[in-house]
Amino acid sequence: EVQLVQSGAEVKKPGESLKISCKGSGYSFTSYWIGWVRQMPGKGLEWMGIIYPGDSDTRYSPSFQGQVTISADKSISTAYLQWSSLKASDTAMYYCARRVAWGAFYYFDYWGQGTLVTVSS
Amino acid sequence: QPVLTQSSSASASLGSSVKLTCTLSSGHSSYIIAWHQQQPGKAPRYLMKLEGSGSYNKGSGVPDRFSGSSSGADRYLTISNLQSEDEADYYCETWDSNTHVVFGGGTKLTVL
Repeated sequence: EVQLVQSGAEVKKPGESLKISCKGSGYSFTSYWIGWVRQMPGKGLEWMGIIYPGDSDTRYSPSFQGQVTISADKSISTAYLQWSSLKASDTAMYYCARRVAWGAFYYFDYWGQGTLVTVSS
Repeated sequence: QPVLTQSSSASASLGSSVKLTCTLSSGHSSYIIAWHQQQPGKAPRYLMKLEGSGSYNKGSGVPDRFSGSSSGADRYLTISNLQSEDEADYYCETWDSNTHVVFGGGTKLTVL
């Protein structure tokens, strides 16, 4: 069974750093892209970036380029989303999701349970 | 790059059917999309992949009540015999070699 299990909720202060995780199981972790998606309170889904754990090829949404860092450790089947200096506006739910290919197209087919990040002074 | 347009809200009565629409922008009418459901307070859940031909493949455990169809640039999600648990936000998603991931704005479905 494919599973993506994310790390627990975090409460941080502005300016602090943070790294959240997403552990995949039940499939070949190195063979599928993993994406990170932000959902701000009461809002829709926003794509942040994707990583291919097999070779760590990473692509960022222009909206998030330079704001976050996405990485992966294939030895433990885990992807990460990292901030070096959090802002109050980073308060949101963050989801990881597995990306599957169908011919030349890709889409998300499994989702993690989400990690709530709250940034408040 | 493709843009996906969804109505912000829809409503239908318990036991009835509803058809949600996701419209691809001009020049992208052949694109495959995926539908995702997000029940209140929960993570999104993949429902199905839907091609321009109308062919669709559902995710594991998705009830038979959910089906997909296509017409031109429009991609539809039909839910039959609406249940209370179908009250949720529904998002469509597509892909482009430049933008990689594109989400529609989502449709909030209310079951009356």
